[in-house]
Amino acid sequence: AQTIHQWPVAEIKAVGSPLSLGCTIKGKSSPNLYWYWQATGGTLQQLFYSITVGQVESVVQLNLSASRPKDDQFILSTEKLLLSHSGFYLCAWSTGGDSDYTFGSGTRLLVI
Amino acid sequence: TQTVSQSDAHVTVFEGDSVELRCNYSYGGSIYLSWYIQHHGHGLQFLLKYYSGNPVVQGVNGFEAEFSKSDSSFHLRKASVHWSDSAVYFCAVSHMNYGSSGNKLIFGIGTLLSVKP
Repeated sequence: AQTIHQWPVAEIKAVGSPLSLGCTIKGKSSPNLYWYWQATGGTLQQLFYSITVGQVESVVQLNLSASRPKDDQFILSTEKLLLSHSGFYLCAWSTGGDSDYTFGSGTRLLVI
Repeated sequence: TQTVSQSDAHVTVFEGDSVELRCNYSYGGSIYLSWYIQHHGHGLQFLLKYYSGNPVVQGVNGFEAEFSKSDSSFHLRKASVHWSDSAVYFCAVSHMNYGSSGNKLIFGIGTLLSVKP
């Protein structure tokens, strides 16, 4: 069975500090991978997607970057956090086409 | 441009009541529609989806949704809700994008369903 794991579960970070969030998918080779961001009480906004190792497409510019160093790993990062980065970050995978998404349990980020 | 509209931000019902959560979309191409549920503080879980065929699709936990091309709608229904159904429900739309650079799932703003005992 496929599993998706996000880390850390939650973070409190200072404005201007760096950030790295991780996502690992086990049991599925070459999945499409996605990062979503959800403001408190808001909808989900797709940030990045990747269909293969080493290739990441940006959907929305939020002073964040993403990388896919391995087939089963997706990393979201920034060198300088902003207050507006606070929210809930969700990683997801799919097999493309009309397949449904499987989401991780998310990382809650508070920037102070 | 694809858009998803969920007109009800918050719906409150009593346990055992039926409920319908509304979703309208706009897109001119070939799409698929889905519903996801998010319990407080957790990630999203897939409920059901529609692409073609029977416009009424069955999902988990007694949920179903009906696609209407004429109304551009994909409303979610349940005949008898349980308190554990309390959650935020997201409608989503994506265009069919085989073999291309990923498929973008666009979510509505979500509807908070509160089920009172």
